[in-house]
Amino acid sequence: NAGVTQTPKFRILKIGQSMTLQCTQDMNHNYMYWYRQDPGMGLKLIYYSVGAGITDKGEVPNGYNVSRSTTEDFPLRLELAAPSQTSVYFCASSYQQGDTEAFFGQGTRLTVV
Amino acid sequence: AQSVTQLDSQVPVFEEAPVELRCNYSSSVSVYLFWYVQYPNQGLQLLLKYLSGSTLVKGINGFEAEFNKSQTSFHLRKPSVHISDTAEYFCAVSDRNFNKFYFGSGTKLNVKP
Repeated sequence: NAGVTQTPKFRILKIGQSMTLQCTQDMNHNYMYWYRQDPGMGLKLIYYSVGAGITDKGEVPNGYNVSRSTTEDFPLRLELAAPSQTSVYFCASSYQQGDTEAFFGQGTRLTVV
Repeated sequence: AQSVTQLDSQVPVFEEAPVELRCNYSSSVSVYLFWYVQYPNQGLQLLLKYLSGSTLVKGINGFEAEFNKSQTSFHLRKPSVHISDTAEYFCAVSDRNFNKFYFGSGTKLNVKP
């Protein structure tokens, strides 16, 4: 099993550009998450999904959008990139509610210049 | 809402010495507790978790953690560290009602020879 796969691994964007960070998992997990990791700040939840067709905002959703058309895929969209979105982004998934671990992808390092 | 505090941002320690990484949480409801490890340029992987039962939980690589409900703490310990334990460690809580994970800001463990 591949687990959670994120693409791309690295990306440099210019201010105002848009892009989609891809995330797919092959574990048939219902729950999926997007986090951003900034130095000294830990991981902050951007958006999460409890199943196909259902998404909800996390702690820091502004400037991002998500969709969940299938169980496997949970892309994160940046519409108008800003320097404040420079970060490392992690996608994760988990099987069920609360008591199970989250499995993480390798991360996408995004720089907005 | 839940919050997680990791009191030490960096912990230097010599090889074969014991180490304790501190984690405190606040929550108005029952939670599940986790410790994750992140090696450089990688995603997070689970070290151990507390769901219920015995308050002392053992994880991979010789790590263990003790849940203390009265002090709302979940400190991570290892009796003798190795160079390969150099990494960043994150404490996390999950609300038993909703499958969202809240992470602390991380503790960088630097094991010196």
